Amino acid sequence: DTEVTQTPKHLVMGMTNKKSLKCEQHMGHRAMYWYKQKAKKPPELMFVYSYEKLSINESVPSRFSPECPNSSLLNLHLHALQPEDSALYLCASSRVSGGTQYFGPGTRLLVL
Amino acid sequence: QQQVKQSPQSLIVQKGGISIINCAYENTAFDYFPWYQQFPGKGPALLIAIRPDVSEKKEGRFTISFNKSAKQFSLHIMDSQPGDSATYFCAEDAGGTSYGKLTFGQGTILTVHP
Repeated sequence: DTEVTQTPKHLVMGMTNKKSLKCEQHMGHRAMYWYKQKAKKPPELMFVYSYEKLSINESVPSRFSPECPNSSLLNLHLHALQPEDSALYLCASSRVSGGTQYFGPGTRLLVL
Repeated sequence: QQQVKQSPQSLIVQKGGISIINCAYENTAFDYFPWYQQFPGKGPALLIAIRPDVSEKKEGRFTISFNKSAKQFSLHIMDSQPGDSATYFCAEDAGGTSYGKLTFGQGTILTVHP
């Protein structure tokens, strides 16, 4: 099973709201990733967790706060977002950092 | 910032034809080159991947050709089908020393006409 699940599928939020995106995998992978994808553009890496520790932050604004509570779960906490943050947020995992990455279906976020 | 240059931006092929997408890279430290296929509203799915010590890899109708000296690699889709219509991304991964940081090309929108 190479499935990465993401919830919710769609999210609409105002600029003052706080919301969270959730990602889960049960493949025993020890690396997990958050990407942001705008329409007609490639995915852009945001964060990498390796063995539950944040290993890469691609200079992402602090209004995005990642969390890795355990090896199967990855969250992205959102606060005070801007309309330009509207995008598809993708989670991925790999057996270890540098391995084949498997992507989830994404959460489509709209910030009003 | 290291880039992956992907071409063409869009490609229209008749059913049964060959689709060819090309990518060029700069950083010779990269050691893993995956291709991802993405359908509208879905996440990217790994299609096929190659390492630079191999010049060609074939899986079914999909073939990657790798030219290390030219720092180029390409995806060939034989007998293209309407179901292949999707966006294709090439990518580079420097491997464990860079914690699996994938750098994607800009994508190619493939349309296969029946």
